[in-house]
Amino acid sequence: ELKVEQNPLFLSMQEGKNYTIYCNYSTTSDRLYWYRQDPGKSLESLFVLLSNGAVKQEGRLMASLDTKARLSTLHITAAVHDLSATYFCAASGAGSYQLTFGKGTKLSVIP
Amino acid sequence: EPEVTQTPSHQVTQMGQEVILRCVPISNHLYFYWYRQILGQKVEFLVSFYNNEISEKSEIFDDQFSVERPDGSNFTLKIRSTKLEDSAMYFCASGTGGSYEQYFGPGTRLTVT
Repeated sequence: ELKVEQNPLFLSMQEGKNYTIYCNYSTTSDRLYWYRQDPGKSLESLFVLLSNGAVKQEGRLMASLDTKARLSTLHITAAVHDLSATYFCAASGAGSYQLTFGKGTKLSVIP
Repeated sequence: EPEVTQTPSHQVTQMGQEVILRCVPISNHLYFYWYRQILGQKVEFLVSFYNNEISEKSEIFDDQFSVERPDGSNFTLKIRSTKLEDSAMYFCASGTGGSYEQYFGPGTRLTVT
């Protein structure tokens, strides 16, 4: 059974600082996803990582995937208040489209 | 930009009643999904649907749940006899398959009293 763990679950960071959210998964996974969710809103797709060593960047967010370590990271550079949200990682097992989500990381960026 | 839409945004129902949640996936997508999120918890997979049949389902998706694509645009989730623990936000998602992305709708908040 595929399990996905994120840490930290809560993150309070100052504007301008850098930080990394970690996502570990338990078994072989074909794909790793990162989503953003604002309170009371839906899930916004940020990144889909398909292969070992994949790195994708969008603005202040950069995601990477290490399939050997079964680890993905979401790195935040020079945080701004607008990045405050809950970030979920999700993985899909081999041959499956079912997404298994982590518990989410609630990020608060404070001035 | 095309998006997944869901109706209603909020549904209140009494325990034991049937509810139907509706979704209109993005028009050229072939894969359809339902997920749910109990308040404050993680998102859980319910079911995936492709080529007019269920392709995967989770343990949550028991005999009380069913899905249907009644026409070329709608995708529905039916809960036959709701329980208190069915209260959650239900998200529909769709994807092309090829890009592996899943695009989520705004959700329907289901409250069972």
